[in-house]
Amino acid sequence: QKEVEQNSGPLSVPEGAIASLNCTYSDRGSQSFFWYRQYSGKSPELIMSIYSNGDKEDGRFTAQLNKASQYVSLLIRDSQPSDSATYLCAVRKTGGYNKLIFGAGTRLAVHP
Amino acid sequence: NAGVTQTPKFRILKIGQSMTLQCTQDMNHNYMYWYRQDPGMGLKLIYYSVGAGITDKGEVPNGYNVSRSTTEDFPLRLELAAPSQTSVYFCASRTVTGYNGNQPQHFGDGTRLSIL
Repeated sequence: QKEVEQNSGPLSVPEGAIASLNCTYSDRGSQSFFWYRQYSGKSPELIMSIYSNGDKEDGRFTAQLNKASQYVSLLIRDSQPSDSATYLCAVRKTGGYNKLIFGAGTRLAVHP
Repeated sequence: NAGVTQTPKFRILKIGQSMTLQCTQDMNHNYMYWYRQDPGMGLKLIYYSVGAGITDKGEVPNGYNVSRSTTEDFPLRLELAAPSQTSVYFCASRTVTGYNGNQPQHFGDGTRLSIL
């Protein structure tokens, strides 16, 4: 079992729709969770971070965390073609110096 | 406002050659990291450092070496390049202020390395 798992996609959604990206993790003690967006050929950039169970909203993005079920998700409302990218889920590993374990990423394609 | 700077951006090496990938940050971050990203994959941690003079292995350290003589610089050394080391290499840094685990990592633009 991979430590952080994501569906590789591609996830294809029409412009204006809600895109839902999911991530599961194996370390039950994990406390910090991050979503990074990575455009093709570019470096990852932080989109959202979440540490407590529930929802966290920032503009069109909402991160959801359920520690009991060990999953974290990212919702993108009113999806735009500019949101087309790979979204990486990262989980801070317990006991380490903020070592992040990354999932392989989900490729999102928003079509007009 | 440079952030994390990596050089070179691209490099082609022959098998057996050596090289150093440079990483510099100007944010006075204590923690620095080296990752590699293979096509269609997530990032794998190679080495990390929690401060000058302190380094430790990550998930995939074989074939690499690092040093951290200053807070700003964290070079990654490939001694005997192998085709399996063809990848994109990212350097990242983070601060230690606030709750230790909640500070995000900031990434450089990456170095695209091909070993032929």
